[in-house]
Amino acid sequence: KNQVEQSPQSLIILEGKNCTLQCNYTVSPFSNLRWYKQDTGRGPVSLTIMTFSENTKSNGRYTATLDADTKQSSLHITASQLSDSASYICVVSGYNTDKLIFGTGTRLQVFP
Amino acid sequence: SQTIHQWPATLVQPVGSPLSLECTVEGTSNPNLYWYRQAAGRGLQLLFYSVGIGQISSEVPQNLSASRPQDRQFILSSKKLLLSDSGFYLCAWSETWTSYEQYFGPGTRLTVT
Repeated sequence: KNQVEQSPQSLIILEGKNCTLQCNYTVSPFSNLRWYKQDTGRGPVSLTIMTFSENTKSNGRYTATLDADTKQSSLHITASQLSDSASYICVVSGYNTDKLIFGTGTRLQVFP
Repeated sequence: SQTIHQWPATLVQPVGSPLSLECTVEGTSNPNLYWYRQAAGRGLQLLFYSVGIGQISSEVPQNLSASRPQDRQFILSSKKLLLSDSGFYLCAWSETWTSYEQYFGPGTRLTVT
């Protein structure tokens, strides 16, 4: 069964600190993995998209890594800001389909 | 540039009442369109997708239906709402079959009382 699992479920950090969010998936055959940021009450916004041949991709203070062998990805946030408070959703797509498998997300709260 | 609109932003409806949520996309032609539902503490669940006018695929059996009367218009409907229909409904679009990216609308918060 195609699944995407994220950890931790929620995370609280202080402003300026770094954090890492985890994503494990069982989707096969694998095509690409995306990380989305979703502010409360808003639609998700894409942060990064990685194919199986990419190991890392950055978008400002966000850096995503992908290990297609172990089917794991991480999202690292550097020097967190209050505006980083949101849910971060890992999404995986199988090969030759545009249907996405969504994780349940990690709820990040950044406090001053 | 492309934009996606959804309305209404919030909606409170009694059980048994009908529902109509609308989604429109601007700045692109023949997009793939999607309806998702996000229940509290749950991941996004794909409800319907459409690859063209009048072409609707349903992912889960339920009392909801979708229609695509125009190329860039996608409507989610119900004849009789259930309490379990409460949630956050998101419309999304993507370019054709090989596109990697889906773009989400702002969402509609539906509360069924």
